[in-house]
Amino acid sequence: NAGVTQTPKFQVLKTGQSMTLQCAQDMNHNSMYWYRQDPGMGLRLIYYSASEGTTDKGEVPNGYNVSRLNKREFSLRLESAAPSQTSVYFCASSLGQGTGDWRYLLGGTQYFGPGTRLTVL
Amino acid sequence: GENVEQHPSTLSVQEGDSAVIKCTYSDSASNYFPWYKQELGKRPQLIIDIRSNVGEKKDQRIAVTLNKTAKHFSLHITETQPEDSAVYFCAASNSLDSWGKLQFGAGTQVVVTP
Repeated sequence: NAGVTQTPKFQVLKTGQSMTLQCAQDMNHNSMYWYRQDPGMGLRLIYYSASEGTTDKGEVPNGYNVSRLNKREFSLRLESAAPSQTSVYFCASSLGQGTGDWRYLLGGTQYFGPGTRLTVL
Repeated sequence: GENVEQHPSTLSVQEGDSAVIKCTYSDSASNYFPWYKQELGKRPQLIIDIRSNVGEKKDQRIAVTLNKTAKHFSLHITETQPEDSAVYFCAASNSLDSWGKLQFGAGTQVVVTP
């Protein structure tokens, strides 16, 4: 059981280049998330997917797109990278969607991937 | 939306002493409050969480308290050890409405000196 995996671990881009960060989970979770982490800023939500087939913007979505390919995989795309997108990117997943007391008890816990360190020159 | 403030931003303690980190939240509908520990270069990992139907939860040397009226919650670490050195993040969410979306605090850098 690998949990949440991310590729690549490190990436250096030039301004204007594009790339896709990959994330997969094997915990049969419904919800998946992309965060960026900058020094002193904590974790900021870029996009999330409450369930397969749905995606929504988070706190800082500009410059990014996402695809929920299937229940396991959630990718983040930078179409035209900018130096301001230099950051550490974390994918996370949680059991998420449910009903009634089950959701209340289990929905919130998020499990994080190992992160991707991205530098845009 | 939810806003979470975390204090202090840095905390230096002597080994064996206690450490306390405090967070406040703005959305009275928030009902789930996890704490994550992040060691240098590693991913955030859940260390303890509390839901709004309880006021306190303890797991060995760590405990979390929640005051719903004042909308604040705190992490307490007793008998600190060097391996407790890390960045700690609090978070809040309304699990009944937001499909598990968490709003994180800015983090507290804890340094435990021998």
